[in-house]
Amino acid sequence: EAGVVQSPRYKIIEKKQPVAFWCNPISGHNTLYWYRQNLGQGPELLIRYENEEAVDDSQLPKDRFSAERLKGVDSTLKIQPAELGDSAVYLCASSMRTGPYGYTFGSGTRLTVV
Amino acid sequence: KNEVEQSPQNLTAQEGEFITINCSYSVGISALHWLQQHPGGGIVSLFMLSSGKKKHGRLIATINIQEKHSSLHITASHPRDSAVYICAVLVEKLVFGQGTRLTINP
Repeated sequence: EAGVVQSPRYKIIEKKQPVAFWCNPISGHNTLYWYRQNLGQGPELLIRYENEEAVDDSQLPKDRFSAERLKGVDSTLKIQPAELGDSAVYLCASSMRTGPYGYTFGSGTRLTVV
Repeated sequence: KNEVEQSPQNLTAQEGEFITINCSYSVGISALHWLQQHPGGGIVSLFMLSSGKKKHGRLIATINIQEKHSSLHITASHPRDSAVYICAVLVEKLVFGQGTRLTINP
């Protein structure tokens, strides 16, 4: 099994430019998570999907961040426009459903905004 | 105060040493995860615990629900074990510790 697949692996953009990240979760995993991890810190949840519904987006900066999960499978996370402080690793994870189930994380996208 | 505290923050040891990383939390949880993160950024799930003890190869994880404490042990440590180890507790969502950076020298 391929695991949680994320792309791109690395991205460098100038501030004020848009950027998008893509995530393909484990087949059959209904719950999908986007996390942001700043250097030296633990990941912080941005948004959680149950199938195609965003059930927790309270930490998503909605003025510049958006996400979608069409058909309840793949998901994209977009930032427009990017700011210097958005430089971080963006991690996608999936699990069968919300609750005490195993999580599988992707390799992450390391974003550098210059 | 963070809901999840790990110790130590950094740990350097020699190959072969027995390693212990500790995690304390302050809230009621439904599960606790131990995760491994290598320099490239990807995270690997090592264990999910809700009670007792789990073992996988040279890795052992224990949890004491009453004391709100978990430990991750590595026996016969090896340089390839060098990584950041993260404890995360499941409340309504995963709450992560800041991680323990482990370096095993040959």
